[in-house]
Amino acid sequence: KNEVEQSPQNLTAQEGEFITINCSYSVGISALHWLQQHPGGGIVSLFMLSSGKKKHGRLIATINIQEKHSSLHITASHPRDSAVYICAVPYSGGGADGLTFGKGTHLIIQP
Amino acid sequence: AAGVIQSPRHLIKEKRETATLKCYPIPRHDTVYWYQQGPGQDPQFLISFYEKMQSDKGSIPDRFSAQQFSDYHSELNMSSLELGDSALYFCASSFAGGSQETQYFGPGTRLLVL
Repeated sequence: KNEVEQSPQNLTAQEGEFITINCSYSVGISALHWLQQHPGGGIVSLFMLSSGKKKHGRLIATINIQEKHSSLHITASHPRDSAVYICAVPYSGGGADGLTFGKGTHLIIQP
Repeated sequence: AAGVIQSPRHLIKEKRETATLKCYPIPRHDTVYWYQQGPGQDPQFLISFYEKMQSDKGSIPDRFSAQQFSDYHSELNMSSLELGDSALYFCASSFAGGSQETQYFGPGTRLLVL
């Protein structure tokens, strides 16, 4: 089973700040997922990436396959970005696998 | 756009009872995943199905079983319920075609075992 480490576990920032969340994993993977979970419990997929960088609005995700590391960045953060951000990798390493989740980063953006 | 549907949304059971959770994937999605998220915990992968066959198995207890039907909906059957089974159960679906693809999550079923 792949081990996933996220940092920081908790992050409080002011509106407008640039946010970075880091994720590292232990076993080579076919793709890495970034997810967002709101207090009500719903989970939304933000990105799935296997190389390089992806951008969606104010969110940017990067991955370095050789170093087994990924980062999620939020530019011009806003209070509505407050949520738990979770990094997840395939449970068994590839294919149509379930996901192993990191512990999540609890992000609070204050106005 | 249609999303993943889970039913029921909330369920209360007594210890040793059985429960069945249902998941209806997004139309044309061929893969279904089940996850369990205990209070304050990160989600744990239970089991997945691709084209009605079990694809991957995680930390699913022997008391639980699941299947995917011909219309691609899936059911998670839970027997001899224990207090520790109280959790939020997510279903996710994807059009995997046997490869890693974006998973779309349902709203979850919140199970409380008393």
